[in-house]
Amino acid sequence: QQQVKQSPQSLIVQKGGISIINCAYENTAFDYFPWYQQFPGKGPALLIAIRPDVSEKKEGRFTISFNKSAKQFSLHIMDSQPGDSATYFCAASKSGNTPLVFGKGTRLSVIA
Amino acid sequence: DTGVSQDPRHKITKRGQNVTFRCDPISEHNRLYWYRQTLGQGPEFLTYFQNEAQLEKSRLLSDRFSAERPKGSFSTLEIQRTEQGDSAMYLCASSPSGAPNGYTFGSGTRLTVV
Repeated sequence: QQQVKQSPQSLIVQKGGISIINCAYENTAFDYFPWYQQFPGKGPALLIAIRPDVSEKKEGRFTISFNKSAKQFSLHIMDSQPGDSATYFCAASKSGNTPLVFGKGTRLSVIA
Repeated sequence: DTGVSQDPRHKITKRGQNVTFRCDPISEHNRLYWYRQTLGQGPEFLTYFQNEAQLEKSRLLSDRFSAERPKGSFSTLEIQRTEQGDSAMYLCASSPSGAPNGYTFGSGTRLTVV
């Protein structure tokens, strides 16, 4: 049972372009939705997170868009850079009382 | 305190042997989580502690796996009678109580069972 479905599995974007990664969840009790970035040989690191009371959150070049009715959320990376090349994971949980459930990840490659 | 520390970084063991991993969380974090990550997959939850109490265990955590957090500080994850399917990255994370946005992951222990 996969509670968080992530797509695409891999993504190639030109430098300066916009990277978009999508996630869909099933459990309507989820109310915390973070995105993590992972480089090879490292643990995941929190990028940005959103709660369902807002539809969008922006931090620098990273934006989360959230659609509660569709049970979907997405990560947009503006002006993508080669240093953004990593694997990105969406996740969800029930407000701090339960562990995070992760998507399967998207491997992003930003090419010059 | 520079973050979550895991030891060892890599472990190669023969099938059937027992292995133990250690995690030292951020000192002020009272929650500690263990996750397992296989190649091309997201982290999968195994178990977590609040202080020394083990609050939840995943069905992934078979009876060959045991985790402890004595005195609510560091934690150990032991795998008995290892199998090739146990080969994975074992990740530890810590957070303040009730704050998932406070998750900080360690760099993991990569286990290879041969």
